[in-house]
Amino acid sequence: NAGVTQTPKFQVLKTGQSMTLQCAQDMNHEYMSWYRQDPGMGLRLIHYSVGAGITDQGEVPNGYNVSRSTTEDFPLRLLSAAPSQTSVYFCASSQHLAGTASGNTIYFGEGSWLTVV
Amino acid sequence: GQQVMQIPQYQHVQEGEDFTTYCNSSTTLSNIQWYKQRPGGHPVFLIQLVKSGEVKKQKRLTFQFGEAKKNSSLHITATQTTDVGTYFCAVRGSTLGRLYFGRGTQLTVWP
Repeated sequence: NAGVTQTPKFQVLKTGQSMTLQCAQDMNHEYMSWYRQDPGMGLRLIHYSVGAGITDQGEVPNGYNVSRSTTEDFPLRLLSAAPSQTSVYFCASSQHLAGTASGNTIYFGEGSWLTVV
Repeated sequence: GQQVMQIPQYQHVQEGEDFTTYCNSSTTLSNIQWYKQRPGGHPVFLIQLVKSGEVKKQKRLTFQFGEAKKNSSLHITATQTTDVGTYFCAVRGSTLGRLYFGRGTQLTVWP
């Protein structure tokens, strides 16, 4: 019962490098999303997906790409890393869209700590 | 995006004291969710409130949704050291699929 699995847990990048944060869930959830968390800022939505093949932008999408080729996987790509992208990244999944169904639980991965130098 | 203000930003209490965090919105909310994040951990979903005036309890935690559905509170009775962490509220935006988080209240409990 893995839930939401994120890799890597820690990563240091140089400015300009690209990388992919992996996210996988084994609960057959339709809805997946990526957030970043910065000190004092709460969590901000980067991109989200309502099902395989469907993605949309959140509050802070610039500098990030996503794809959803399968129900299970939702990778987040940093195209050209910048120091402003130093943050903790969380992937989340749920059976229903957040706030649309009683009893809907949103599950978060354990986070990926990214430092861009 | 959806604005939801959460206060206070920090709260330090002695073990056994009560704790309350508030979330306020200028617009009527369809629902509100609450999460807890332990230091170094990930957010954990606690509860969702949907109905006007709704009150839900989970052991020592009491969640309330305002009558006008513009505010919500989380109250912890007789805090314990295990309650340490940051508590977030989150609201669904007008665009389906978007969830907006408050900045959180960081709770410290002294033994």
